[in-house]
Amino acid sequence: GNSVTQMEGPVTLSEEAFLTINCTYTATGYPSLFWYVQYPGEGLQLLLKATKADDKGSNKGFEATYRKETTSFHLEKGSVQVSDSAVYFCALRGGRAGGTSYGKLTFGQGTILTVHP
Amino acid sequence: EPEVTQTPSHQVTQMGQEVILRCVPISNHLYFYWYRQILGQKVEFLVSFYNNEISEKSEIFDDQFSVERPDGSNFTLKIRSTKLEDSAMYFCASSFGRAMADTQYFGPGTRLTVL
Repeated sequence: GNSVTQMEGPVTLSEEAFLTINCTYTATGYPSLFWYVQYPGEGLQLLLKATKADDKGSNKGFEATYRKETTSFHLEKGSVQVSDSAVYFCALRGGRAGGTSYGKLTFGQGTILTVHP
Repeated sequence: EPEVTQTPSHQVTQMGQEVILRCVPISNHLYFYWYRQILGQKVEFLVSFYNNEISEKSEIFDDQFSVERPDGSNFTLKIRSTKLEDSAMYFCASSFGRAMADTQYFGPGTRLTVL
């Protein structure tokens, strides 16, 4: 079956530091890959996504590249801010040939990020 | 911006009691989902729902769980006889379609505590 593995947290950084959160996956077919973020007291929000190999998703200074050869989708940001403190979830959704998905998301365990001023 | 809402934000119940968790998906969405997250564990898929029927369910979603879309706006998850191990955060999500580009939008969650 499908699975997602994220780096263990929590991650604590100083403001303006470089962030990497590792994510690797196991899947059959044509998966799409996602990063969701959960700010305190809120629901899961889509941060970025990539639907095919070599695609780069980006949003709010965050980036992740879909690497099929290493089955990875690592999240990076060049300069984090205190407001980036949140829990980050890597997820995948299985896909069929022809472009439709299997619907359900499979999540990693989440990584808590704390950024200090 | 449209959003998924869930009520209540926190539900406390006694073991063996029935609970109903409520969700209002985004209005033009057609696919609805429930996920849960036991404290310290991964977010897990429970069930997906389309066209008034379950389209997929996980092995977690046994006979004690049911889902319903009782009207044009609500989507509910019922747990008939709660167990201690049902204590978790329950997330509702919705999407317009199931194309690879379609995004699932999540609600803020309901924290269920079973005593």
